[in-house]
Amino acid sequence: GAVVSQHPSWVICKSGTSVKIECRSLDFQATTMFWYRQFPKQSLMLMATSNEGSKATYEQGVEKDKFLINHASLTLSTLTVTSAHPEDSSFYICSARAAGGVLSTGANVLTFGAGSRLTVL
Amino acid sequence: QKEVEQNSGPLSVPEGAIASLNCTYSDRGSQSFFWYRQYSGKSPELIMFIYSNGDKEDGRFTAQLNKASQYVSLLIRDSQPSDSATYLCAVKAGGYQKVTFGIGTKLQVIP
Repeated sequence: GAVVSQHPSWVICKSGTSVKIECRSLDFQATTMFWYRQFPKQSLMLMATSNEGSKATYEQGVEKDKFLINHASLTLSTLTVTSAHPEDSSFYICSARAAGGVLSTGANVLTFGAGSRLTVL
Repeated sequence: QKEVEQNSGPLSVPEGAIASLNCTYSDRGSQSFFWYRQYSGKSPELIMFIYSNGDKEDGRFTAQLNKASQYVSLLIRDSQPSDSATYLCAVKAGGYQKVTFGIGTKLQVIP
């Protein structure tokens, strides 16, 4: 089955620093990847849609200059939290859907990475 | 109105019983429906997806979809303590890439 690798699984950083999180699709090509954020006891909130070779699409209220997304290849998307602050501490999860536009069984299924827990001191 | 609504629970059922998890959605154009399981501190894992009205069974799990009522449910038969987790309902509108998640229902299976 489809596997998405996310790294690092946890990171602690000082306020004001930047943190990069990587998301890789290991056995399939992903033209689109999604970045979610989840605060404790809350639902997954979509932050942005990462499109290979083009600019990411950000959800309302998400600062694109703070959360930089790069999707340089069909298997890699990165999220960089710039000038992190304690309120950015959260569980960040990426997901991917296999390339191809044919609606077939499982074609719309999202596969999630293991998540990255960010703690900003 | 939230796009995808779920009761946050917790829903407690005894081991061996049927757990029934419910979800409603607001967008009538929604075409794809998913149930994910999320253990504490972990990322979601797919249990089932359903596209058509009716029931879809996979082992102990049955997903039910009623588009007219904008309602989707997940039944877990013979519930086990290992089923204790938060179950997320997710909905995707046709033609859009975005998948919207509910808040999740916490299920507790009591041994």
